[in-house]
Amino acid sequence: EDKVVQSPLSLVVHEGDTVTLNCSYEVTNFRSLLWYKQEKKAPTFLFMLTSSGIEKKSGRLSSILDKKELFSILNITATQTGDSAIYLCAVPGGSNYKLTFGKGTLLTVNP
Amino acid sequence: EPEVTQTPSHQVTQMGQEVILRCVPISNHLYFYWYRQILGQKVEFLVSFYNNEISEKSEIFDDQFSVERPDGSNFTLKIRSTKLEDSAMYFCASSGTGHLYQETQYFGPGTRLLVL
Repeated sequence: EDKVVQSPLSLVVHEGDTVTLNCSYEVTNFRSLLWYKQEKKAPTFLFMLTSSGIEKKSGRLSSILDKKELFSILNITATQTGDSAIYLCAVPGGSNYKLTFGKGTLLTVNP
Repeated sequence: EPEVTQTPSHQVTQMGQEVILRCVPISNHLYFYWYRQILGQKVEFLVSFYNNEISEKSEIFDDQFSVERPDGSNFTLKIRSTKLEDSAMYFCASSGTGHLYQETQYFGPGTRLLVL
């Protein structure tokens, strides 16, 4: 059974801080790892990572994958209150790419 | 930008009643999924659907659940006889074809189901 573990489960920071969110995984046939941001409702797609060591970047968010150590990190620099959300890590598995999610990291950015 | 839509946003029902949750996936996507998230818990896979049939389902997806694509745009989840433990947020997701595109699933805003 595929498994995704995220840490920390929650994090409180002040605006301007940099945060690092962690995701480790065990999956039978690794294809990719996805990061989502969940605010009030739907998870919204952030990144898909397939190759080790290649950083994906979007504005203040970046993510990198280590396939040897089976983990990924999501970095957010110069955090803003709008970054407050649950950040979810997921891996697709099975023949139909069903996603296995971690519990998420609840990030709270205070002004 | 294309998006997945879901209706209704909220549904309150009595235990034992049937509910139908509706989704309109992104128009050129061919893979469709339902997930649920019980309050405070992980997002869990329920079922995947491709080429007008179920391609995979989880242990949660028992005989009281069914899915259908009644026309070219809608994708529905039916719960025949709701139980209290079916109370959750239900998400529909879709993805495109081809390597990497199939793995990137886009989620709708969800239907919050409350069974009383």
